Amino acid sequence: GQQVMQIPQYQHVQEGEDFTTYCNSSTTLSNIQWYKQRPGGHPVFLIQLVKSGEVKKQKRLTFQFGEAKKNSSLHITATQTTDVGTYFCAGVTSGTYKYIFGTGTRLKVLA
Amino acid sequence: KAGVTQTPRYLIKTRGQQVTLSCSPISGHRSVSWYQQTPGQGLQFLFEYFSETQRNKGNFPGRFSGRQFSNSRSEMNVSTLELGDSALYLCASSLGTGTNEQYFGPGTRLTVT
Repeated sequence: GQQVMQIPQYQHVQEGEDFTTYCNSSTTLSNIQWYKQRPGGHPVFLIQLVKSGEVKKQKRLTFQFGEAKKNSSLHITATQTTDVGTYFCAGVTSGTYKYIFGTGTRLKVLA
Repeated sequence: KAGVTQTPRYLIKTRGQQVTLSCSPISGHRSVSWYQQTPGQGLQFLFEYFSETQRNKGNFPGRFSGRQFSNSRSEMNVSTLELGDSALYLCASSLGTGTNEQYFGPGTRLTVT
C-alpha cells in the first residue's frame, strides 16, 4: 500500500545546530502537510505545500516539496530548545484525499 | 473558537470489552478523522467522516467502527478489545477534504488489560 517514510527516526543536536528531516512517499501526492507534536501533546499543524518544487519559510523553518511531489523536507536553522518534539509529514493522496502520516522524526535539542 | 474536544481522556478496559470514544470538532468543521498512535507504529489512519458519511478508511479490522452525527460530532467504537488496541486515539477536524489543515484533539489514552 501507499507509504510515507521519514528519516531520520531520531536526531539529537546541540542548541544552535541545524536540523533536517526528510519525507519520502511511494506515490505522487496531492499535497503534503507538516505537523509538530511536543512530548505529551498532540500534533499541531505547521504548514501545507501544494505545488511541485514549492519552498515555504516560517522564521527558522524551511519547508520544501519535491519536483515530483513524492518527497519533502523540513529544515530548522539554529535549533532552540523550544524546537524539541516529533515532526511528522502527512502526505495527502491524489483522488482519495487520504492522509498518510510519515513515521515521524523525534528531535532532541541539547542546551 | 473552542478547539477539538475528546472524551474521555483516559480509559482502562479489559480484553473482550467494547469501548466508545467521542470527538467534538471545531465549530464549522465538517470533516473528522480518527488516528491510532502507538510508539511502535506512529500515527495510523483509521477513518474519516464528512457530513455523516465515511469518506476514507484505513487498514484496520472491522472491530473498529465509527459514525458521525448531523452536528459533526463523531464517535469511534472498538469491539472485542485486544491488548494491542492500547494506544492514544486522536481525532482531528478540518473544514473539508484532504486539502485542509487538521486540528487535533488531546486524544483518549486507552489501556487494555
